[in-house]
Amino acid sequence: GENVEQHPSTLSVQEGDSAVIKCTYSDSASNYFPWYKQELGKGPQLIIDIRSNVGEKKDQRIAVTLNKTAKHFSLHITETQPEDSAVYFCAASQAGRRALTFGSGTRLQVQP
Amino acid sequence: DGGITQSPKYLFRKEGQNVTLSCEQNLNHDAMYWYRQDPGQGLRLIYYSQIVNDFQKGDIAEGYSVSREKKESFPLTVTSAQKNPTAFYLCASSLGTGGTYEQYFGPGTRLTVT
Repeated sequence: GENVEQHPSTLSVQEGDSAVIKCTYSDSASNYFPWYKQELGKGPQLIIDIRSNVGEKKDQRIAVTLNKTAKHFSLHITETQPEDSAVYFCAASQAGRRALTFGSGTRLQVQP
Repeated sequence: DGGITQSPKYLFRKEGQNVTLSCEQNLNHDAMYWYRQDPGQGLRLIYYSQIVNDFQKGDIAEGYSVSREKKESFPLTVTSAQKNPTAFYLCASSLGTGGTYEQYFGPGTRLTVT
């Protein structure tokens, strides 16, 4: 089955800096890669996703890049703000599969 | 106000008791999922349901049971057979099945068993 590894487990940045979180996956048939943000005591919320037919997707300060050859994808947050502090999860899935396989999460702390 | 509701937010039980966690959605989604979240780990799939009256085991189904009698509802029972039941439980739903549809999560239920 699919295995998703996520790094780093914790990340601390100064407000205004950029943050990058990386994930690798094992199943070359995976074709859908969402990123979720989870605030303390709440359920995860989708912030951006990418499908295998594109290499990059951007939404304001958030971008995701995908390298299918290397089987890795990354989340980039620019101009970080204190409200970006949360746990971020990557996930991977393939068409026809039952559900997502999640990475272990990255706790992002943005210092004001 | 559309979304997924889970109740209660906190649940305390004694060891050896079964407990049922509620999950309701008004998004008209076909698929529903239960995940378990432990500190420092990602979400692990317990059970999922693609349609009413049908459900399949996920990666860690032992000690859990579910039912899907209505499209809107997917309750999870944590039985006394689950060896490590204390965890944060998340319910999710998606419009379609197959894993490539966006999954919407509920706020979670934190279960503590002593």
